[in-house]
Amino acid sequence: KNEVEQSPQNLTAQEGEFITINCSYSVGISALHWLQQHPGGGIVSLFMLSSGKKKHGRLIATINIQEKHSSLHITASHPRDSAVYICAVGAGDQFYFGTGTSLTVIP
Amino acid sequence: ETGVTQTPRHLVMGMTNKKSLKCEQHLGHNAMYWYKQSAKKPLELMFVYSLEERVENNSVPSRFSPECPNSSHLFLHLHTLQPEDSALYLCASSRDRVETQYFGPGTRLLVL
Repeated sequence: KNEVEQSPQNLTAQEGEFITINCSYSVGISALHWLQQHPGGGIVSLFMLSSGKKKHGRLIATINIQEKHSSLHITASHPRDSAVYICAVGAGDQFYFGTGTSLTVIP
Repeated sequence: ETGVTQTPRHLVMGMTNKKSLKCEQHLGHNAMYWYKQSAKKPLELMFVYSLEERVENNSVPSRFSPECPNSSHLFLHLHTLQPEDSALYLCASSRDRVETQYFGPGTRLLVL
């Protein structure tokens, strides 16, 4: 069993929809990261958080340490948001990665 | 542009070849990482260098050999690879082990 589980694995949305991607983890963590990977491989770090909530533009990330759960929300989704979103947790010297959520936003 | 570059971007090699992947960062980071990303699998951390000291993932086969000559450069030397080693190899760096990692564009490797 993977230490980090994401859902859904695949998600298709219409432009403008509100999107939620979930991440659950089973280890004690120092921080949780949300990454975005576009076709072609480039990975961009979106958020690093250890508590509460962070917002950047149309993206919002929340974490509940007690429930070991994080969500990534995208408001007013746009086709350029189409990418794979990866949840990763840092636990001591280790990093654990989810398998990613593939998001397609249709115009 | 994240400040982390990787060369080559694409590589095709035979199982008897020897090749090297290069990663370079000029962000002043102290930690550098090699990851393997295979289709439908989570990112796998292969090697970590922190202040030029290696922290190794023991499950990495010896046909992968990392080298960190200085804090800005990281190499992954490849020899006698197998077809199942075909994957996207990503390099990342961070200020220290617990900070946000910045990823390079990756090298897409095909072993024939």
